[in-house]
Amino acid sequence: GENVEQHPSTLSVQEGDSAVIKCTYSDSASNYFPWYKQELGKGPQLIIDIRSNVGEKKDQRIAVTLNKTAKHFSLHITETQPEDSAVYFCAASISGNTPLVFGKGTRLSVIA
Amino acid sequence: NAGVTQTPKFRVLKTGQSMTLLCAQDMNHEYMYWYRQDPGMGLRLIHYSVGEGTTAKGEVPDGYNVSRLKKQNFLLGLESAAPSQTSVYFCASSYTGGASGSEQYFGPGTRLTVT
Repeated sequence: GENVEQHPSTLSVQEGDSAVIKCTYSDSASNYFPWYKQELGKGPQLIIDIRSNVGEKKDQRIAVTLNKTAKHFSLHITETQPEDSAVYFCAASISGNTPLVFGKGTRLSVIA
Repeated sequence: NAGVTQTPKFRVLKTGQSMTLLCAQDMNHEYMYWYRQDPGMGLRLIHYSVGEGTTAKGEVPDGYNVSRLKKQNFLLGLESAAPSQTSVYFCASSYTGGASGSEQYFGPGTRLTVT
């Protein structure tokens, strides 16, 4: 089955700097790659997603890139703010209605 | 519109006791999921359902049972709780399944401790 690896497990950046989180997946049939943000004491919430027919997608300060050949995708957060501090999860789906497979998460700390 | 709600929010069980976690969604979603979250392990899928009356095993189904008698509810049961089941449990729902790109909406979680 699908396996999703996520790095780094923890990341600290200064406010205003950029943060990058990387994920790799194992199954070349995967075609949907969402990113979720989990704030302390809450459930995860979708922040951005990308499909395999697109190489990059942006939403304000957040962007996701996908390299199908290398089977990896990344989350980029620019101009980080303290409210970006949270745990971020990447995920991938194999095909059809198979459930998402999540990475182990990255704890991002933005230092003011 | 409450979204996804979970009952209870906290629970402490003794080894061998049983309990049921209730998940409810008011978005008319077909798909519902139960995950457990442990430190360093991310979100692991326990069981899921693709519609009323259906259930399927996820990555870590042992020791758990589920039922989806009504479309809006998804119950997770622990028949004989073990300390290894100490975790935070999240329920989620989505309109369609994984690759269709349907957003999963998560509940606030249930923190379960088994002593």
